[in-house]
Amino acid sequence: DTAVSQTPKYLVTQMGNDKSIKCEQNLGHDTMYWYKQDSKKFLKIMFSYNNKELIINETVPNRFSPKSPDKAHLNLHINSLELGDSAVYFCASSQDMVAARAQYFGPGTRLLVL
Amino acid sequence: DAKTTQPPSMDCAEGRAANLPCNHSTISGNEYVYWYRQIHSQGPQYIIHGLKNNETNEMASLIITEDRKSSTLILPHATLRDTAVYYCIVREDSSYKLIFGSGTRLLVRP
Repeated sequence: DTAVSQTPKYLVTQMGNDKSIKCEQNLGHDTMYWYKQDSKKFLKIMFSYNNKELIINETVPNRFSPKSPDKAHLNLHINSLELGDSAVYFCASSQDMVAARAQYFGPGTRLLVL
Repeated sequence: DAKTTQPPSMDCAEGRAANLPCNHSTISGNEYVYWYRQIHSQGPQYIIHGLKNNETNEMASLIITEDRKSSTLILPHATLRDTAVYYCIVREDSSYKLIFGSGTRLLVRP
């Protein structure tokens, strides 16, 4: 069973569209994250949720809105997609926010904005 | 910004030990050293982490120097499937996030 899963795996869309990426973890973790990996392969955190509450928002544009319906899910909705949003988006989870807890990543969603 | 320095690339022969160095000279007492790897097109994979003591698990060993200013990740018997980018990350006790640098690209040769 996949511990952290994301859908879709690939997403190709036009500029200006709105799209969502879903993430689910079956590890029973309290904390979930979204990371973005750009074309230069740098991974940067975008958001962190703990027990469905937003903890980190790394100055991500308002067009990005995470939603956590429950502890096992953290979805990412993107409005008015721009070319620069093309990247690989990774979801991750950890038992809690303590630094000693490892984060476990999903397989990624490859977003291409045309 | 990442607080670690790693060589951009390394290689080793299959079956031999791969020793990946990492410098973190500004590390403070409550910061953990984490290692992740990313195999092409996959999500980052957790390998190991430590605070002060050396650590070993089924994947690797982590050796942290006594002054904690550097560490080495050891893959005891590298296989072709260990070819990946390896990231050394220093994580603050009070920080919830991992700050990835550019990592070391390890190539395991047949």
